Amino acid sequence: GAVVSQHPSRVICKSGTSVKIECRSLDFQATTMFWYRQFPKQSLMLMATSNEGSKATYEQGVEKDKFLINHASLTLSTLTVTSAHPEDSSFYICSARPPGGHTDTQYFGPGTRLTVL
Amino acid sequence: GESVGLHLPTLSVQEGDNSIINCAYSNSASDYFIWYKQESGKGPQFIIDIRSNMDKRQGQRVTVLLNKTVKHLSLQIAATQPGDSAVYFCAENSNRGGATNKLIFGTGTLLAVQP
Repeated sequence: GAVVSQHPSRVICKSGTSVKIECRSLDFQATTMFWYRQFPKQSLMLMATSNEGSKATYEQGVEKDKFLINHASLTLSTLTVTSAHPEDSSFYICSARPPGGHTDTQYFGPGTRLTVL
Repeated sequence: GESVGLHLPTLSVQEGDNSIINCAYSNSASDYFIWYKQESGKGPQFIIDIRSNMDKRQGQRVTVLLNKTVKHLSLQIAATQPGDSAVYFCAENSNRGGATNKLIFGTGTLLAVQP
């Protein structure tokens, strides 16, 4: 149980284009999902908290117009990197929190490697 | 970000030995802690968790110890295997600034198992 998927696993795009990353909870409904980014040999940095049916909550320093988050259903959240630039190249990881039980536990997707040329 | 590291501390152990990975956390109000394992190019994988009303919890080959007095968390892996080689992160449930249920990650430790 508690499986989270991401699509695509890798994406290469040209500078200036937009890229959408999907995060799905496969066997549970998640009212809250989280988006992280991770640079090589570094820890995970929380970008935003995605809430189903409402606006995402962004961490300080994260541009909400740059990183658009849509949590349209209880099993799907999307992150769109708009007008991507080389400095946006990173490993983007989502997580979801199952309902009930240990409600603080987050289960992570496999990540999406974004390379902006 | 709240947790950024320029390089990863490394723990090198021989196959079959026990491993102890340590983590210091900063928020004395944190009430929930998780250890994650991250293999190269993959997302973090849940290993074990512990709440602040406990000081020890055991799983299969893993034990987590919590010392709230010194804000220290450790992960013990028994009979370490090559498949245990990965980066291990501790995470605390943060209640900073009134925002609940956010996980704050430590800098991570690279566990290298030598055959």
